[in-house]
Amino acid sequence: EAQVTQNPRYLITVTGKKLTVTCSQNMNHEYMSWYRQDPGLGLRQIYYSMNVEVTDKGDVPEGYKVSRKEKRNFPLILESPSPNQTSLYFCASSPSVVSSYNEQFFGPGTRLTVL
Amino acid sequence: DAKTTQPTSMDCAEGRAANLPCNHSTISGNEYVYWYRQIHSQGPQYIIHGLKNNETNEMASLIITEDRKSSTLILPHATLRDTAVYYCIVINNNDMRFGAGTRLTVKP
Repeated sequence: EAQVTQNPRYLITVTGKKLTVTCSQNMNHEYMSWYRQDPGLGLRQIYYSMNVEVTDKGDVPEGYKVSRKEKRNFPLILESPSPNQTSLYFCASSPSVVSSYNEQFFGPGTRLTVL
Repeated sequence: DAKTTQPTSMDCAEGRAANLPCNHSTISGNEYVYWYRQIHSQGPQYIIHGLKNNETNEMASLIITEDRKSSTLILPHATLRDTAVYYCIVINNNDMRFGAGTRLTVKP
């Protein structure tokens, strides 16, 4: 089944404890991205990757890191989480951004709480 | 900022057509209009997209004005399960910014 998976789905952690949220897609998509969603603010893009080893900042990259060593995986790293990073996080992938068709497929979300 | 403007919320009676408007007055010639919806806190789901022609699929129809400055998503026979937040976004290459969307509530 074509899908985007994220792990963990729920995480409660403490300030400063490094964490990684994994994202994997099995559709051979070139483009992957991370969003966070907060009440009243909609979906805001954190980072995106147009292909392996190519990443770029979205609208709210501060406090986050990403890597794209393989096409299927795009982990989100919080080196030193803070309470303002408490949010619902979504990973998404799409075939390519250089074609007219770039429907994004979203993962199920990761609800992160930083105490 | 998102390139689109949508009403904050709308109601629709079950079985009736839901017409969700979107303004994208600064759209440029090579930018597509995409619609997604998000049910509760699930991941957003693709609905439909278009460039300048009207489009229809099994989920919805998309009507784009001739000047491309606005569009309307039509759910022809809304059901309670269509209650969701609907996002209209304008996409050009890697710019995929979501606005706040329209919260559609389908009522029995």
